[in-house]
Amino acid sequence: QVQLQESGPGLVKPSETLSLTCTVSGYSISSGFYWGWLRQPPGKGLEWIGTIYHSGSTYYNPSLKSRVTISVDTSKNHFSLRLNSVTAADTAVYYCARVVRSMVYDAFDIWGPGTMVTVSS
Amino acid sequence: DIVMTQSPDSLAVSLGERATINCKSSQSVLYSSNNKNYLAWYQQKPGQPPKLLIYWASIRESGVPDRFSASGSGTDFTLTISSLQAEDVAVYFCQQYYSSPLTFGGGTKVAIE
Repeated sequence: QVQLQESGPGLVKPSETLSLTCTVSGYSISSGFYWGWLRQPPGKGLEWIGTIYHSGSTYYNPSLKSRVTISVDTSKNHFSLRLNSVTAADTAVYYCARVVRSMVYDAFDIWGPGTMVTVSS
Repeated sequence: DIVMTQSPDSLAVSLGERATINCKSSQSVLYSSNNKNYLAWYQQKPGQPPKLLIYWASIRESGVPDRFSASGSGTDFTLTISSLQAEDVAVYFCQQYYSSPLTFGGGTKVAIE
C-alpha cells in the first residue's frame, strides 16, 4: 500500500532554513496525484503549506508563499519542503500527504506519521 | 481566506450515545456547477496524523464505520457519531477545499463521559 515518510532535522535555528523530505513507497509519484505539505503547531489546528504535482507545478498558501519552496524528485520518488527564515512560530509537526483525487485543491487521504520540527537556538 | 469555525471546542458523550460536531464556513463551499460541497472531515487520535473520514461533505471514505455520518450544505455542516465507541475518542477537524488556501477548523475534542 502507499506509504509516506517525512525525514529531516528536528531542530532548526531561528533565521535558518527548514528542509524536509517526504519519501513515497508503494506508488510512483510520476504516475499522478498531487502531493502536499501541512503542519500542526503543538496543541493547535492544521495549516496547509502547499501542494505539488509530479510535473513540478506548485501551489502555495499565500501566507507562506514568500518563504516556501516545494520540489519533487521523481527519480528518488520523493518531494521536499524548504521553509526559509524560520522563527519560533514555525515550530510544528510537519506532515506530508497525498491529495485524494486528481484535483489541486482537495482533501488528503494518505498521510505520513509526521515529524516534529522545533525552531530554537 | 475561508474561515472554518467548529463547535463545540470539546464534548463528552457516554458510550453508545450520539455525538454531534458542527462546522461553519465563512462563505459557501458549494460549487454550483456540480452541486458539490467541497468539505471534508478528519479524525485525529493523539500522536497520529489525521485520518480522512468524509469528503464531498457526506461521502464516507472506504473503511470508515457507518456510525460516522455527515451532512450539510453551503456554509453549515455536521458530523455525527451515532453510537460513540471508545475508539472514537479523538479530535475531529473539518476542511474546505473549495478555494485556496485550504483551511481547517480548529478542531473538536470528543471524550467519553
